[in-house]
Amino acid sequence: DTGVSQNPRHKITKRGQNVTFRCDPISEHNRLYWYRQTLGQGPEFLTYFQNEAQLEKSRLLSDRFSAERPKGSFSTLEIQRTEQGDSAMYLCASSLAWDSPYNEQFFGPGTRLTVL
Amino acid sequence: DQQVKQNSPSLSVQEGRISILNCDYTNSMFDYFLWYKKYPAEGPTFLISISSIKDKNEDGRFTVFLNKSAKHLSLHIVPSQPGDSAVYFCAASSVQGGKLIFGQGTELSVKP
Repeated sequence: DTGVSQNPRHKITKRGQNVTFRCDPISEHNRLYWYRQTLGQGPEFLTYFQNEAQLEKSRLLSDRFSAERPKGSFSTLEIQRTEQGDSAMYLCASSLAWDSPYNEQFFGPGTRLTVL
Repeated sequence: DQQVKQNSPSLSVQEGRISILNCDYTNSMFDYFLWYKKYPAEGPTFLISISSIKDKNEDGRFTVFLNKSAKHLSLHIVPSQPGDSAVYFCAASSVQGGKLIFGQGTELSVKP
């Protein structure tokens, strides 16, 4: 499988619980991005990594959100003390920086989070 | 502030005709523009892109036009097919390899 994979595909949790999502990018892609999408909106940028370095983090990302890419391969996104407003589709994408002048990012299928 | 806008939430087109999806942006620093297609329960799939040094890019049935003075881009699909029915997002980036800023999407329905 050469695509971006995300696990789990669906997560239902109760308000106040912590959740963690995993993203496995396309092999050899050195950039990895996290986005969030709510109903009727386009994907909204959260953060991105080049190898293991976190290069940018959205101002919208509260302190309850943390992302890691410890070995420059897979990444995890953790949400602490979840709130109902965190309910969304969390998308991961990867790219090979400098491979293309157009900056195509390849997306995974997403993890749908529902906070009750 | 919404830096990338798709003002038409939906578009319905007859099979075989042209589909034109529009997108406006406000940030003159954007250098790269991309179109993605999204089916339900799947992640967005890259379709076609254009850099700010060009005004047109074509790939098969898909053509993207960029009008920098108007800060406007459009995606033309000719001829439209029922399998093209999906939500289309335009996106922009000011840095090669950087974050993408997406519009709200336009749902295209191509009727047989």
